[in-house]
Amino acid sequence: DTEVTQTPKHLVMGMTNKKSLKCEQHMGHRAMYWYKQKAKKPPELMFVYSYEKLSINESVPSRFSPECPNSSLLNLHLHALQPEDSALYLCASSQGASKGGTQYFGPGTRLLVL
Amino acid sequence: DAKTTQPNSMESNEEEPVHLPCNHSTISGTDYIHWYRQLPSQGPEYVIHGLTSNVNNRMASLAIAEDRKSSTLILHRATLRDAAVYYCISPGAGGTSYGKLTFGQGTILTVHP
Repeated sequence: DTEVTQTPKHLVMGMTNKKSLKCEQHMGHRAMYWYKQKAKKPPELMFVYSYEKLSINESVPSRFSPECPNSSLLNLHLHALQPEDSALYLCASSQGASKGGTQYFGPGTRLLVL
Repeated sequence: DAKTTQPNSMESNEEEPVHLPCNHSTISGTDYIHWYRQLPSQGPEYVIHGLTSNVNNRMASLAIAEDRKSSTLILHRATLRDAAVYYCISPGAGGTSYGKLTFGQGTILTVHP
């Protein structure tokens, strides 16, 4: 099974809402990632978790709060977002966080902030 | 990360081979070259990667220049399903050992029936 699942597929939220994105993998991978992709742009890395610990935060605003409860699960908690945060949020995983590792991506959550 | 340069777009006809070029002149000796593609409305998917030798898998072939400053992704017989954005990535040291992928603009491949 090389699948990374993400829920929900679509999400609409207001600027005062709190919501969470969920990502799950059962490949035994120990590194998980969040990327953000605006329309017609390439994905941009937001966070990297390695062995359930946050190892990279690419200067992401604090209104995005990642959480890795266990090695299979990655959440992204959203609070007080802005309309410009509307984007496709992609989760990925890899066996380890090495520079040669293959990353497996989920289908993404398409977020619209009103 | 090593900077990569790709053409913005390319076109092909179905059943014909496609050669997608990538320049990575600042690549270091231990950096792999990775190719991912992103089909419409999907997340990126791994295609192939290599270090020095040419590589083949069920999806594509990767031809790496002897000086490693460029590479070419080869789709042997393009199908309509191969229409996607193709990203060439070289995860350089970037000040960290973690698996950071920095996506460039990629090449939009259009396949005509």
